[in-house]
Amino acid sequence: ETGVTQTPRHLVMGMTNKKSLKCEQHLGHNAMYWYKQSAKKPLELMFVYSLEERVENNSVPSRFSPECPNSSHLFLHLHTLQPEDSALYLCASSQDDKHGRAGELFFGEGSRLTVL
Amino acid sequence: GQNIDQPTEMTATEGAIVQINCTYQTSGFNGLFWYQQHAGEAPTFLSYNVLDGLEEKGRFSSFLSRSKGYSYLLLKELQMKDSASYLCAVRDGGFQKLVFGTGTRLLVSP
Repeated sequence: ETGVTQTPRHLVMGMTNKKSLKCEQHLGHNAMYWYKQSAKKPLELMFVYSLEERVENNSVPSRFSPECPNSSHLFLHLHTLQPEDSALYLCASSQDDKHGRAGELFFGEGSRLTVL
Repeated sequence: GQNIDQPTEMTATEGAIVQINCTYQTSGFNGLFWYQQHAGEAPTFLSYNVLDGLEEKGRFSSFLSRSKGYSYLLLKELQMKDSASYLCAVRDGGFQKLVFGTGTRLLVSP
C-alpha cells in the first residue's frame, strides 16, 4: 500500500469511447503526476500538477486530458484513443519544495489500458 | 536533450552480488533515484543520490559520479524476491522533475 490509489485497474475501450482514469493520494503531497509505461520504453511523463500549476509534456496528444480538482485527486480523461495508446498508466505523487523541485515519487498500482 | 541508459536485462544467481549501471546525459542534474518494480506492481523507491559517493541501505547500495554522469545500484546477497525491474531516474536540473531510463530487468535464479 503506497498511499496512492488508482481506478480502474484494468480498462478495455474502443476507439470511439470516452473514459476516465482516477487517482487519489492519501499522503498530503502537493504534486501529482501521470506517467505512461509501455513495453521496452522508459516511463514517459505526461502531465504534472505541482504547487497548483499544471506542467505538461508537449508531445502528449490532445486525446488525453488531465484534470486536478484538488491536491488529492487527479483524473485522466480519454477520448478517441488509438490502439498504440494501450499501456500501463501510472499515477504518482510527491512533496515538492517551494521551487517546484520534485521529491521522492510514490506510485499507484497503475491502470492497464487496452484500446481495441 | 535527455538520455538515460541502462542494460535491458541481467541474470544472477541467489546469494551473489550484482551491479546495475546507469549513465545519463541531461540538460541539468539535481539528483538521481533508483526504483524497484515487480511485475504488475507499482515502482517503489530504493535510493537517492545527489552528491558523489556511495549510499548504503541494507543489502542495497547506490553510487553516483556526477562528473562521469554515472550511477550504479549494487545488490548483495541476492534473493529470489529481488527478481524485478530496476529503474534509474534523474531529476532534471531545469524541469526539476524525474526522467526515467528504460529499466533493467533482473532475473535471479536458484
